[in-house]
Amino acid sequence: DAGITQSPRHKVTETGTPVTLRCHQTENHRYMYWYRQDPGHGLRLIHYSYGVKDTDKGEVSDGYSVSRSKTEDFLLTLESATSSQTSVYFCAISESLWVSGYTFGSGTRLTVV
Amino acid sequence: GENVEQHPSTLSVQEGDSAVIKCTYSDSASNYFPWYKQELGKGPQLIIDIRSNVGEKKDQRIAVTLNKTAKHFSLHITETQPEDSAVYFCAALYQGAQKLVFGQGTRLTINP
Repeated sequence: DAGITQSPRHKVTETGTPVTLRCHQTENHRYMYWYRQDPGHGLRLIHYSYGVKDTDKGEVSDGYSVSRSKTEDFLLTLESATSSQTSVYFCAISESLWVSGYTFGSGTRLTVV
Repeated sequence: GENVEQHPSTLSVQEGDSAVIKCTYSDSASNYFPWYKQELGKGPQLIIDIRSNVGEKKDQRIAVTLNKTAKHFSLHITETQPEDSAVYFCAALYQGAQKLVFGQGTRLTINP
């Protein structure tokens, strides 16, 4: 997707290891979001950011932390990965929710074994 | 609280027929309602949106209607084609919120 890149695209990790997913944008948008998508659960918000160093929790934030030290990067960290965190993770960005909603990245498929 | 209900969860239609997906929101102050299409292996993409000061919006074969009194909005796809097969999500922006609230998604299958 233009202007937003998620890395890695795929990752397999072991239970108990730390994992960091990266979302990078070139749009200079204020808002950034992390969602997870699991069968039967739709899109669930993990954390979001409304500016550099400004973040807030979503509905499924337990076990996750985030950081945003500069406008273009929003990092999602699983401090100690568990099998329940196996999922597809999507980053989204927005300049103005009222104007254009979100632009989503292509996703990161994470498998915790 | 903030909630968006979406129905049906799955929908199967014959190619060329119309498809309708409905969503209901809980906050009458909501003011922006986007629809996203997610193809297999990809992130959701915005396909159409509507704001609270408009009752209907069309873009070629897709349209969205909004009924503020009943607090529901619907996506209409006419003359469906195989490439319309995807998961569709509705969403609502509650007044003063900094995030969208999503429905659970509808898996639309177009049968040839």
